[in-house]
Amino acid sequence: NAGVTQTPKFQVLKTGQSMTLQCAQDMNHEYMSWYRQDPGMGLRLIHYSVGAGITDQGEVPNGYNVSRSTTEDFPLRLLSAAPSQTSVYFCASSELVGVVWNEQFFGPGTRLTVL
Amino acid sequence: GQQVMQIPQYQHVQEGEDFTTYCNSSTTLSNIQWYKQRPGGHPVFLIQLVKSGEVKKQKRLTFQFGEAKKNSSLHITATQTTDVGTYFCAAHFSGGYNKLIFGAGTRLAVHP
Repeated sequence: NAGVTQTPKFQVLKTGQSMTLQCAQDMNHEYMSWYRQDPGMGLRLIHYSVGAGITDQGEVPNGYNVSRSTTEDFPLRLLSAAPSQTSVYFCASSELVGVVWNEQFFGPGTRLTVL
Repeated sequence: GQQVMQIPQYQHVQEGEDFTTYCNSSTTLSNIQWYKQRPGGHPVFLIQLVKSGEVKKQKRLTFQFGEAKKNSSLHITATQTTDVGTYFCAAHFSGGYNKLIFGAGTRLAVHP
């Protein structure tokens, strides 16, 4: 199993450009999520999904869109990049065990710089 | 609101000293998870606590979940240089909320 994979590893954008960060998992997990990590801020939840066709907003959703057409993939779209979106982005997935969401498996991250 | 406060933000210890990080919430938590992130890496799961008053141990690490399910702690006995990294708590909130909210993390530096 590859686990959770993210592409690209690094990306530089100009203000106003759009792009999609890719995330895929091969563990058949229902739950997938996107976090951004800034120095001293921990991980902040952007969007999450509890299954194909179901998405919801996290703590900092503005400027980002998501969709979940398959169990495996959960892409994150930046509509019009801004310097404030410079960050490290992590995708994660987990499964429901009984009524409890289990541990989250994280991808290696995408380091994004917006100039 | 659904926030998890984690303290301290940074801890610097000599090798062999103990270390503790604390997480607190104003609202009841459904469960709490702990993660470790090494510099330049991604968060890695350590443990999950679900029951009120639960205590779990992993070698030199002891995890506790408060009786009211509003706080948790991670204690490391006799730190080693391999313990260096940032420790995060993360919680699901009671009420059927699916999102996992992270604390800001405690960065641990261990000096030999």
